[in-house]
Amino acid sequence: DAGVIQSPRHEVTEMGQEVTLRCKPISGHDYLFWYRQTMMRGLELLIYFNNNVPIDDSGMPEDRFSAKMPNASFSTLKIQPSEPRDSAVYFCASKQALGGNEKLFFGSGTQLSVL
Amino acid sequence: GESVGLHLPTLSVQEGDNSIINCAYSNSASDYFIWYKQESGKGPQFIIDIRSNMDKRQGQRVTVLLNKTVKHLSLQIAATQPGDSAVYFCAENGGTDKLIFGTGTRLQVFP
Repeated sequence: DAGVIQSPRHEVTEMGQEVTLRCKPISGHDYLFWYRQTMMRGLELLIYFNNNVPIDDSGMPEDRFSAKMPNASFSTLKIQPSEPRDSAVYFCASKQALGGNEKLFFGSGTQLSVL
Repeated sequence: GESVGLHLPTLSVQEGDNSIINCAYSNSASDYFIWYKQESGKGPQFIIDIRSNMDKRQGQRVTVLLNKTVKHLSLQIAATQPGDSAVYFCAENGGTDKLIFGTGTRLQVFP
């Protein structure tokens, strides 16, 4: 299995531009999570999906952030408009809850820099 | 001005020694706990997990201890190697489907 795949690996954009981060979870996993990691706040949960349905988006910073999961193999996190304070590493993770398995598998992350 | 960020506690150990990384959790409803290792430029990588019906679990060179009375979790690494140098995170589930991560501890291994 290729693991959780995120793209792009790095993204540099200017303030005000739209940014779209992409994630392909591990096949067969029914949960998908988006985390953000910064020096200031550590690893924060933004939103998670179960069977493509958003379950908890209480961690989404504000209306500029949105996430979708149109099917079991793809999710996007969009920031519009982007701001310098959005600069961070964004991780996608997935898990299969069957059998009570709670272990999350993380992607390599997207390093976002907003200038 | 100077940026202020999380101050990661750092544990420095000599190669071959045992390492103990500690974590305090906050939610009494948590029934699942997990340790991750994160190397520079990579995503967190699973090390070991434990459920609340256990107080100890062993893996290869790693042991997790859980003390529910004082809400404390520890990760023990035997015969620490240079490749163990990384940031280590504990996480709890708060009795839910999600994982909430601690701030992390940096492990530095010296030859």
